[in-house]
Amino acid sequence: QIQLVQSGPELKKPGESVKISCKASGYTFTDYAMHWVKQAPGKGLKWMGWINTYTGKPTYADDFKGRFVFSLEASASTANLQISNLKNEDTATYFCARRGGMDAWGQGASVTVSS
Amino acid sequence: DVVLTQTPSILSATIGQSVSISCRSSQSLLDSDGNTYLYWFLQRPGQSPQRLIYLVSNLGSGVPNRFSGSGSGTDFTLKISGVEAEDLGVYYCMQATHAPYTFGAGTKLELK
Repeated sequence: QIQLVQSGPELKKPGESVKISCKASGYTFTDYAMHWVKQAPGKGLKWMGWINTYTGKPTYADDFKGRFVFSLEASASTANLQISNLKNEDTATYFCARRGGMDAWGQGASVTVSS
Repeated sequence: DVVLTQTPSILSATIGQSVSISCRSSQSLLDSDGNTYLYWFLQRPGQSPQRLIYLVSNLGSGVPNRFSGSGSGTDFTLKISGVEAEDLGVYYCMQATHAPYTFGAGTKLELK
């Protein structure tokens, strides 16, 4: 069955960087785009952008340009999200989701930014 | 950006009751390819979202048929025909016709 398994929770200080992984199984990784969604504590869902898993080309929503990088390890069927120069407002759960229709989701990766 | 307005924000229901959630868009979601990229998700407490409905009215894989979606253009509705305990959580609509994709603010379904 289709599964997206994300990396574990992270506790970071402001200014540090974090890398979150999303490992796919149960389908051909390069056949479907991977999307990223942010959920701040107690808040709703916000689309961050997506990466073409065949070409590796990322597309970012305006609020996620600059410090956010989507990347791939296609040989490992893994998509990554890296956030640099972390700020308190980056504290959130980050989800990966398969394709634009988001028919499968990872379990979420919690990132807490605190001094 | 397209704004999706969900109503109500909180919905209290008894088991077996039928309920509806509205999702209104600030722009038409009909794409030039003829599709309307409007989706519905359920996020149960402590879980990741699960897709219920795709392209307005198509039931997702494994989703019970008490869920149904309808609408066109800017007005969309999710209906649950006979709420069950496992349906409790927050419902979100999402549009993927216009970039950036946007979500509604959510409707919390709780037991009365």
